[in-house]
Amino acid sequence: QQQVKQSPQSLIVQKGGISIINCAYENTAFDYFPWYQQFPGKGPALLIAIRPDVSEKKEGRFTISFNKSAKQFSLHIMDSQPGDSATYFCAPGYSGAGSYQLTFGKGTKLSVIP
Amino acid sequence: NAGVTQTPKFQVLKTGQSMTLQCAQDMNHNSMYWYRQDPGMGLRLIYYSASEGTTDKGEVPNGYNVSRLNKREFSLRLESAAPSQTSVYFCASQDRGSGNTIYFGEGSWLTVV
Repeated sequence: QQQVKQSPQSLIVQKGGISIINCAYENTAFDYFPWYQQFPGKGPALLIAIRPDVSEKKEGRFTISFNKSAKQFSLHIMDSQPGDSATYFCAPGYSGAGSYQLTFGKGTKLSVIP
Repeated sequence: NAGVTQTPKFQVLKTGQSMTLQCAQDMNHNSMYWYRQDPGMGLRLIYYSASEGTTDKGEVPNGYNVSRLNKREFSLRLESAAPSQTSVYFCASQDRGSGNTIYFGEGSWLTVV
């Protein structure tokens, strides 16, 4: 079964628009909800993350919204720029035996057109 | 600060050959990981090491072995490469004391023909 479902698979947004990517999960043990950003030819890098004790976190143009009861969290990119064009992964995780386990979604390829 | 360094960057193998992907981190992190990334599949965990001296299987360990040589280094070995192992491999490390951020290397592109 698929523990993490990310949508949409791809997204095209005009410059200045709002990009919204969603992530649904099944494991109620998850207690850490990050989004990773990956540019072509590079490794993923942490973009923003949230803990379940808050419903929203904002860092610049990037906002995570978290809905614990629905087991969903989303990434909002305001005033989207061509430089935001990348693949985004949600990767909820929990404190496993001595190591933090992340379960990655399949990714959303965002293209921001001028 | 180099972060997580992987070698080689690119490699072509013939079916049945063996090879080792090397990974080193200079951030004094306890946990290290090996992931593979395939189109439309996201990142899947192959093996991880919570601390020096320990290793555990992830989601897709078959066909791979790992060695946590010391705190800095975590290698991934393909004993008998198969075309299904054609993928991009990422090494990563994590310091749980810094908010659980996982830092990735730049990837190793492996093709098995």
